[in-house]
Amino acid sequence: AQRVTQPEKLLSVFKGAPVELKCNYSYSGSPELFWYVQYSRQRLQLLLRHISRESIKGFTADLNKGETSFHLKKPFAQEEDSAMYYCALSHSNYQLIWGAGTKLIIKP
Amino acid sequence: NAGVMQNPRHLVRRRGQEARLRCSPMKGHSHVYWYRQLPEEGLKFMVYLQKENIIDESGMPKERFSAEFPKEGPSILRIQQVVRGDSAAYFCASSPTFASGRRNEQFFGPGTRLTVL
Repeated sequence: AQRVTQPEKLLSVFKGAPVELKCNYSYSGSPELFWYVQYSRQRLQLLLRHISRESIKGFTADLNKGETSFHLKKPFAQEEDSAMYYCALSHSNYQLIWGAGTKLIIKP
Repeated sequence: NAGVMQNPRHLVRRRGQEARLRCSPMKGHSHVYWYRQLPEEGLKFMVYLQKENIIDESGMPKERFSAEFPKEGPSILRIQQVVRGDSAAYFCASSPTFASGRRNEQFFGPGTRLTVL
């Protein structure tokens, strides 16, 4: 069955420390994976997608097919990174399967 | 472009009443998706619509729930005879016609929080 797992509901790190938000998936085909972010009082928005291989706001994510993971990383956390982060997997041309989300808190 | 609009932002209904949630997609977008988010859970796909057509409603409960996206006007998610278990955040997203290499870029509305008393 297709599934996305974000094992941490809450992650709290100090400003300047490295951040890693974990995402594991279960999918029988070739997945397309995304990270979405929701800042306080704002709507959900796309952060990055694995096919773009880009770095957005200092975040990167590498698809590891062997470990079926797509962890989101940033070497030095900033206070403005505090938000809810959701990992999602493309099930078809339009349907997304979502993880439960991880709340990231950056402590000053 | 104002982005995806949803109203109301908060809706309170008593058991047995009807709930109507509206979603106006971004200008130029003809694809609309509805998601439900229960407390402590991720978003769950409900339905995908294009103008005047339901493309995939595999995530919609078989009873009481319906969705439409008319030629004119917003998309409507309708829940009849609401029960307490319908209390959730309902998100709408829209996307443009799929372009090569850019599939699934969905733009989200702020959501409607439904509370059933």
